[in-house]
This record gives sequence, C-alpha cells and structure tokens, in this order.
Amino acid sequence: EVQLVESGGGLVQPGRSLRLSCAASGFTFDDYAMHWVRQAPGKGLEWVSGISWNSDSTIYADSVKGRFTISRDNAKNSLYLQMNSLRAEDTAFYYCATQGGDYWGQGTLVTVSS
Amino acid sequence: SSELTQPPSVSVSPGQTARITCSGDGLPNLYAYWYQQKPGQAPMLVIYRDTERPSGIPERFSGSSSGTIVTLTINGVQAEDEADYYCQSADSSGTYWVFGGGTKLTVL
Repeated sequence: EVQLVESGGGLVQPGRSLRLSCAASGFTFDDYAMHWVRQAPGKGLEWVSGISWNSDSTIYADSVKGRFTISRDNAKNSLYLQMNSLRAEDTAFYYCATQGGDYWGQGTLVTVSS
Repeated sequence: SSELTQPPSVSVSPGQTARITCSGDGLPNLYAYWYQQKPGQAPMLVIYRDTERPSGIPERFSGSSSGTIVTLTINGVQAEDEADYYCQSADSSGTYWVFGGGTKLTVL
C-alpha cells in the first residue's frame, strides 16, 4: 500500500523556521519527482515546490522562493521542506505529493502566529 | 505553465451532467490533471493526462481537451460527488505545477 506521511507541522512564531518531512512507502520513491502543495484554511490548492527524482532540479513558487528549500533523501525514502523566515500567510496544510498527482499525504498543519 | 481559470461554482441536480471547465494559455501544450477534494480530506486524482482515468475512479468521470480549455465531465452526478474540484498542469519536466482556483460542485 502506498503511503505518504507528513510530519513536522505546528505552531511557530513569525520569522522562525520549521522543517517538514514526508515519509514514503509502498512504491519506488526514486522513480518519482515529488512536490509540496499547501492549502490555507478555506482556500484553494497552491503549489509550493517540486524536486526531480535525483535532486538535480528544484523549483519554487514565487511566494516562497528564497525562504523555502526542498530536498530529498532517496536512501531514506523521504522528502523535506525547510521553511525559513515564516510569515502569517504561510499558515496552511502542507501536503506532499508524487509526480503526476497519483498519491498524496494527509497533510500537516503549519500555523504561523505570535 | 500559465495561470489556470475555473468557475468558482457549478450546481447540478442528481442524475444530471456536470461540466467543469479550466482555461489556460499553456494547456494546448501541456497535460491537465483533475483532483476531487472533500472537506477534511487530501485531494484525490480523478483524471490525468487530459482524459485518462485512474483505476478505481468511476466511469462517470471523464476529461476532454480542446485548445486552451480542458473540461471535467461527470455524468449521472451523485450526491457523493459534491466536492471541490481543481485542475492542474505541469511543465514538461513535471517539476513545476500550477493549479486552478478550484470549483465547488453542489449537488442540489
């Protein structure tokens, strides 16, 4: 069974950092590019960042460029999102998803508030 | 990829056909994907590569493409189809995504 499990969310003050993780199982992780997508409460889906299967290519939405860093460890079947200089508008559920959108995790909530 | 535009809402009666459109200048050259999202749940892929249906998705869901517009069609809408639907496209490498704003499907 394919599983994507996000972790690392929580309440954080503006300007601070947080690192999200996504643990993958049930499929060949390094066959897939991976993505982070977020959804603010009551709002639509917003793509955040993507990474190629071998980490050669990483791309970011303008809203997070320079503050967030996506990475992966294929040996650990894991995807990461390092989030720095967090802002209130970064408050959202963060989902990891596979290339093609076949599989999604259940999301982890990040709340940025003082 | 470029911006994708969806209608905010579509309403249909049970048994009728729902059509949700998504327009974008890049769509003639890129595949479109459609997701269904119910409250409190993660998005679920219902159509990929414009017209393909993943295993387990009911046959009443179909996708089509014409120029700059892609369309998700749900034939014989059921109450359980009430959800938010999002279109999405990706660049040729698959590492850059863009989403439409989402369409709330209401089953009257």
